[in-house]
Amino acid sequence: DAKTTQPPSMDCAEGRAANLPCNHSTISGNEYVYWYRQIHSQGPQYIIHGLKNNETNEMASLIITEDRKSSTLILPHATLRDTAVYYCIVSRMNYGGSQGNLIFGKGTKLSVKP
Amino acid sequence: ETGVTQTPRHLVMGMTNKKSLKCEQHLGHNAMYWYKQSAKKPLELMFVYNFKEQTENNSVPSRFSPECPNSSHLFLHLHTLQPEDSALYLCASSQSGRLPGTSGNFHNEQFFGPGTRLTVL
Repeated sequence: DAKTTQPPSMDCAEGRAANLPCNHSTISGNEYVYWYRQIHSQGPQYIIHGLKNNETNEMASLIITEDRKSSTLILPHATLRDTAVYYCIVSRMNYGGSQGNLIFGKGTKLSVKP
Repeated sequence: ETGVTQTPRHLVMGMTNKKSLKCEQHLGHNAMYWYKQSAKKPLELMFVYNFKEQTENNSVPSRFSPECPNSSHLFLHLHTLQPEDSALYLCASSQSGRLPGTSGNFHNEQFFGPGTRLTVL
């Protein structure tokens, strides 16, 4: 089972920031937080990942709380093309065995509206 | 373009047919994955290959048979499928390497192909 909890759906106005929350209260010290998204009928796309510190790349920012039990993915200026299902996943780097596998939950369906 | 291609993009087959799905990655990765995505269900990991060796079989029925001849190619051979096997089948790849001073591997972010939409009649 997925070890994260996300709202099933969210709406966002085009041009505004989209803030997608994720709870991962049972995260282990060596587990990373990954975010992927899946646009309709396409394969999932990696967005960003982090361990403790906040991270930013050209697509998004990831804010992780100090206790690491929750995080927020921020799309600073959402566009219509950002409409997708967003998945928050916790996973180890794999030091052997299957611990590094990604376990997808149901994600959050983000609808960006004009 | 993610650097991972899958063929065919769409496939319709009868329950007695034998077919194969192909995945190819052009990223120099050495780990490859098969996932299944049924309607209204989360992605399910099926198989993992690491350095061409199968390291994960997630209780997949034997009517699905994976093959990884080299680190760039991954196949999923299908035979005597059932209608409930109709789904989107996704391939992914990632870089798996050995950390200095350890005997384990690590997996970085995965790159997914566009998927094969399979319909079993």
